[in-house]
Amino acid sequence: EVQLVESGGGLVKPGGSLRLSCAASGFTFTDYTMNWVRQAPGKGLEWVSSITSGSSYIYYADSVQGRFTVSRDNAKNSLYLQMNSLRAEDTAVYYCARDYYAGISAAGFDYWGQGTLVTVSS
Amino acid sequence: QSALTQPPSVSGSPGQSVTISCTGTSSDVGNYNGVSWYQQSPGTAPQLMIFEVGNRPSGVPDRFSGSKSGNTASLTISGLQAEDEADYYCSSYTSTSTFVFGTGTKVTVL
Repeated sequence: EVQLVESGGGLVKPGGSLRLSCAASGFTFTDYTMNWVRQAPGKGLEWVSSITSGSSYIYYADSVQGRFTVSRDNAKNSLYLQMNSLRAEDTAVYYCARDYYAGISAAGFDYWGQGTLVTVSS
Repeated sequence: QSALTQPPSVSGSPGQSVTISCTGTSSDVGNYNGVSWYQQSPGTAPQLMIFEVGNRPSGVPDRFSGSKSGNTASLTISGLQAEDEADYYCSSYTSTSTFVFGTGTKVTVL
């Protein structure tokens, strides 16, 4: 059974940093591009970042470019999101999600974690 | 990257069909088949309902169908059921190798 479990969320002050983790199981993690998607309270979904299976290609939304860094440790079946210079508008539930196909694909995201809440407030 | 445009809400009676539109540009929906649709109930993670414009993942009822014409994609729910009441989001791959989501549509079953 495919499982994605996020952790690391919490309350942080503006300008602060936080590192999110996503532990994957039930599939060959090394074969898939992984993604971060966020959802502000009461708002819609926003794609944040993607990282290919071997970390060769990494992409970010303009809203987080230069502040967030995505990485993965295939030996630990884990995905990470390092978030720096956090702003109030970064407050959201952060989901990790798997690409539908192994390799590089744009088909959609078939498995999602339960999400972890990040609150940026003084 | 601007969000794809969806109607805020659609509604229908049980058994009816509803269609949700998702309008983008030639930099996303219009030039890529990487259009997907997600269903989200309150307090839960999104669930993939349609991938690559019109394909259904295993386990998704065949009353859900997707299509695309030009810069607009559509999700149709035929034979609407009470359990279909939820928020629906479209998403598209883009020319900059990123993804963009739609603004979201609340489906209400009357």
